[in-house]
Amino acid sequence: AQSVSQHNHHVILSEAASLELGCNYSYGGTVNLFWYVQYPGQHLQLLLKYFSGDPLVKGIKGFEAEFIKSKFSFNLRKPSVQWSDTAEYFCAVLNQGGKLIFGQGTELSVKP
Amino acid sequence: GAVVSQHPSWVICKSGTSVKIECRSLDFQATTMFWYRQFPKQSLMLMATSNEGSKATYEQGVEKDKFLINHASLTLSTLTVTSAHPEDSSFYICSARVDMGAQPQHFGDGTRLSIL
Repeated sequence: AQSVSQHNHHVILSEAASLELGCNYSYGGTVNLFWYVQYPGQHLQLLLKYFSGDPLVKGIKGFEAEFIKSKFSFNLRKPSVQWSDTAEYFCAVLNQGGKLIFGQGTELSVKP
Repeated sequence: GAVVSQHPSWVICKSGTSVKIECRSLDFQATTMFWYRQFPKQSLMLMATSNEGSKATYEQGVEKDKFLINHASLTLSTLTVTSAHPEDSSFYICSARVDMGAQPQHFGDGTRLSIL
């Protein structure tokens, strides 16, 4: 069965620091990958997605992610975080049945 | 666009009662809706997939008779937790998708269910 693993449970950064959140998936075929963000008290929102093509995907709010097929990874990055980026981040893969399989989530706390 | 409304946002009820949660796509027609359950500090776990006009498909380990799902129209799906018990207390989230394929799902705000 497909699975998604997020390496960090809780990440604490100061404003302006660079961010990289790890995500690995277990599926060797064609993958559709997503990063969602959940701000405190709000619903899940799509940050970015990868279906095919350029493995470096740019999303909203300055986020980007790189699909590395050989490493089964889809890490999320941002060069300089802001306090408003404090949220829970979920990596997800779409399986063959059209279902989203979520990682455990990473809580990001940005100190002002 | 692509707004999903979930109601109620929070419900507290006594053990043994049934609770209905609604999920509506406000500005699009959702062929498929999904119901997830999220425990504190854990990921979203898919409970069932609901297609308009047909029976829901439940994930392994999810009791069909416990969690009744109805998707009567392209804009509304309901989840009824029957004879709820304290162990059913959780955060329930729905999502909706326009059609088949690799389209993003749009999520509701979730419903926090507390069974006393």
